[in-house]
Amino acid sequence: NSKVIQTPRYLVKGQGQKAKMRCIPEKGHPVVFWYQQNKNNEFKFLINFQNQEVLQQIDMTEKRFSAECPSNSPCSLEIQSSEAGDSALYLCASSLSGRGYAEQFFGPGTRLTVL
Amino acid sequence: QQKVQQSPESLIVPEGGMASLNCTSSDRNVDYFWWYRQHSGKSPKMLMSIFSNGEKEEGRFTVHLNKASLHTSLHIRDSQPSDSALYLCAADTNAYKVIFGKGTHLHVLP
Repeated sequence: NSKVIQTPRYLVKGQGQKAKMRCIPEKGHPVVFWYQQNKNNEFKFLINFQNQEVLQQIDMTEKRFSAECPSNSPCSLEIQSSEAGDSALYLCASSLSGRGYAEQFFGPGTRLTVL
Repeated sequence: QQKVQQSPESLIVPEGGMASLNCTSSDRNVDYFWWYRQHSGKSPKMLMSIFSNGEKEEGRFTVHLNKASLHTSLHIRDSQPSDSALYLCAADTNAYKVIFGKGTHLHVLP
């Protein structure tokens, strides 16, 4: 069973508010991924880290989204100014590698609702 | 932009039947394909991965890969109601980014 921890499980914000969620990867996993799964179950890759360094991120992430994985602290994903379209399940996954040959282990997700 | 196409969107099979799910990548640089299963309200869990041409079997699950056509398929024999879930295909292209398809909703009727 996956031991990726995500908090909070549910987050409700008003439009324009900041929304911050956290992820603790499985012990020994240096790579962390963030995904957004919308109400149609469509996955969107947002960003991934190896230790504290960004490996890849999409353009959307570079604008309103910020993420970090400081050493000895949970990783975090923050939306600076939430929009209704940001309402989704945000999934964190950790892996031994950023490459596709390594299985990703998912946390339970943070469900964000933007009113 | 790389896309991962899955078909069908939805599939209904009777208990004990065979379920066949398909996935194709538009990027010729794909190295690995993954199949994940996501039960309603739960997070995805890995089923199988494949990177070589051919077939891989684990219990009731068989995965095929044709690298020339960038097509993979997942076959579930003796389907059980507990197999009802969203099945996600993901592809990696040596770019530290894994792209997921939109999934196939499998419904196994008792």
